[in-house]
Amino acid sequence: AQSVAQPEDQVNVAEGNPLTVKCTYSVSGNPYLFWYVQYPNRGLQFLLKYITGDNLVKGSYGFEAEFNKSQTSFHLKKPSALVSDSALYFCAVRVFNNAGNMLTFGGGTRLMVKP
Amino acid sequence: GAVVSQHPSWVICKSGTSVKIECRSLDFQATTMFWYRQFPKQSLMLMATSNEGSKATYEQGVEKDKFLINHASLTLSTLTVTSAHPEDSSFYICSARDPGVDPDTQYFGPGTRLTVL
Repeated sequence: AQSVAQPEDQVNVAEGNPLTVKCTYSVSGNPYLFWYVQYPNRGLQFLLKYITGDNLVKGSYGFEAEFNKSQTSFHLKKPSALVSDSALYFCAVRVFNNAGNMLTFGGGTRLMVKP
Repeated sequence: GAVVSQHPSWVICKSGTSVKIECRSLDFQATTMFWYRQFPKQSLMLMATSNEGSKATYEQGVEKDKFLINHASLTLSTLTVTSAHPEDSSFYICSARDPGVDPDTQYFGPGTRLTVL
């Protein structure tokens, strides 16, 4: 089964420090990978995606992610964290079923940025 | 672009009543929309894929008679929770793809919090 895993339930970082939110994938073929962010009581906002091309993908709000095929990872990064980055982050992979293609999400990682 | 709205944003209802949630694509036509359910501190679980003009495809374990989905137009899909019970209380989120711009990315609505008393 095609899936993504987020090994950390929560990541704590001080404001101004770099942050990394981890994601690993298990996919047959070429993966389509996504990162979304969810603020409290809100829907998900698209951050970035990897389809093909450069392994380093740049997205919204200064976030970037690095696709690493040998490690089957797609970690989300930001050079300098802001308190306002505190939210729930989801990694997702596109999979195919009878209805077409859909997203399967990881369990989510709560990012806490402390001033 | 690619804005998805939901209405209502929150609803409280009595057990046994039915609740309708609307999902609209505001600036694009969405042939396919998705309905998710999210429990507190958990990930999103896909409930069904809604296709304009045809029956929805439900995920395993989702009761199609309880969660009625109608996708009558290219900009509107509705989810009706019939005979709601307290265990149906959850955060329901819809999403859609804009095939004309980016067929790979799903854009999400802000969610609807349902509380069944």
